Amino acid sequence: GIQVEQSPPDLILQEGANSTLRCNFSDSVNNLQWFHQNPWGQLINLFYIPSGTKQNGRLSATTVATERYSLLYISSSQTTDSGVYFCAVPALMNSGYSTLTFGKGTMLLVSP
Amino acid sequence: EAGVAQSPRYKIIEKRQSVAFWCNPISGHATLYWYQQILGQGPKLLIQFQNNGVVDDSQLPKDRFSAERLKGVDSTLKIQPAKLEDSAVYLCASSVRGGRKEYFGAGTRLSVL
Repeated sequence: GIQVEQSPPDLILQEGANSTLRCNFSDSVNNLQWFHQNPWGQLINLFYIPSGTKQNGRLSATTVATERYSLLYISSSQTTDSGVYFCAVPALMNSGYSTLTFGKGTMLLVSP
Repeated sequence: EAGVAQSPRYKIIEKRQSVAFWCNPISGHATLYWYQQILGQGPKLLIQFQNNGVVDDSQLPKDRFSAERLKGVDSTLKIQPAKLEDSAVYLCASSVRGGRKEYFGAGTRLSVL
């Protein structure tokens, strides 16, 4: 099946710093989703980004589908950005439907 | 717009006991998913419903796990009997249709002792 690799696995930032998280995938995909899992376990969908660049406040994401990677940028980080960031890509199952395959995540800690 | 609702939030049981989780997706979402997330890993899909039909359950341990989505709205996931390795967070998600943006509930944290 499709492989999803995220880097770095862990990241510690001082509040106000910028960061870039990377997601590589092993096969061509028609969409990619970025999620933030907060310390209480809630998964929030940040971006649905098949290709190109999208921005939402201090966060932006870029997917280069032809080169099989996506980047998540966090600018002016805040303590509330702490948590685990997952990327997920669809994998076509035998049923003909697509299901999401998640990477192992990047754990981010933003200290005040 | 109300989000995906799940209950209970926490459950502690002994091995070999039974447990059931409930999920109410976002109104109008045809596709419902159940995921298992073990500590330190990303979510793993257990089963996907399109309306009230199963479209993928290839990773569901069918000897002990079962799920249903009667009437194409609410869904329940059951484990019977539970094993120690079933300790995990069980997440429910929904989307307008398969392959679209997924929205997750808060999850149920299961501890099997």
